[in-house]
Amino acid sequence: DAKTTQPPSMDCAEGRAANLPCNHSTISGNEYVYWYRQIHSQGPQYIIHGLKNNETNEMASLIITEDRKSSTLILPHATLRDTAVYYCIVRPLALNAGNMLTFGGGTRLMVKP
Amino acid sequence: NAGVTQTPKFRILKIGQSMTLQCAQDMNHNYMYWYRQDPGMGLKLIYYSVGAGITDKGEVPNGYNVSRSTTEDFPLRLELAAPSQTSVYFCASSYVVGTEAFFGQGTRLTVV
Repeated sequence: DAKTTQPPSMDCAEGRAANLPCNHSTISGNEYVYWYRQIHSQGPQYIIHGLKNNETNEMASLIITEDRKSSTLILPHATLRDTAVYYCIVRPLALNAGNMLTFGGGTRLMVKP
Repeated sequence: NAGVTQTPKFRILKIGQSMTLQCAQDMNHNYMYWYRQDPGMGLKLIYYSVGAGITDKGEVPNGYNVSRSTTEDFPLRLELAAPSQTSVYFCASSYVVGTEAFFGQGTRLTVV
């Protein structure tokens, strides 16, 4: 997987949008950007993924820059239950022995009342 | 569907003891993984399997062994437990080509 860089921690007010950045300047053409989150030592949970177009689902939106060197995960109306560690991962859609699912340090998002 | 099931949820081992962490998935996924997560840290890949009978090392395989005799099960074996293996262990599974990996709820292991 290409290396990703995320801020170690962020705060967000409840009800506001949480914007979590991720830098992946060495991303390859066939690599997707995936986001997972881990709530209070539970198993990580998939959020969203994308290649180059912006993506939206019921949980979040993913904005990928045109050069694909960075992305932002947006939680439109953060709630206290969104407090978690958010992991940005870059990997090909098809896994193989050289491209396993590996996690970096992530961003610890604290949603405050 | 149960998804990914890990047992036990908690375990305390003495130094030098051995144990097997169980992991089972009912989604017919090809890929299965074992991760460990030390306090305040990210997940590190221990071993993975791309299908029954095929396993390979991840980032931190020392002190562990795995087997994959069926698609559903991927047990992790600790031989001669050491305090450095105190951690939370997560099992996960996914398709080869797919959108997401599914994780179990973890096994919290303490070696004393």
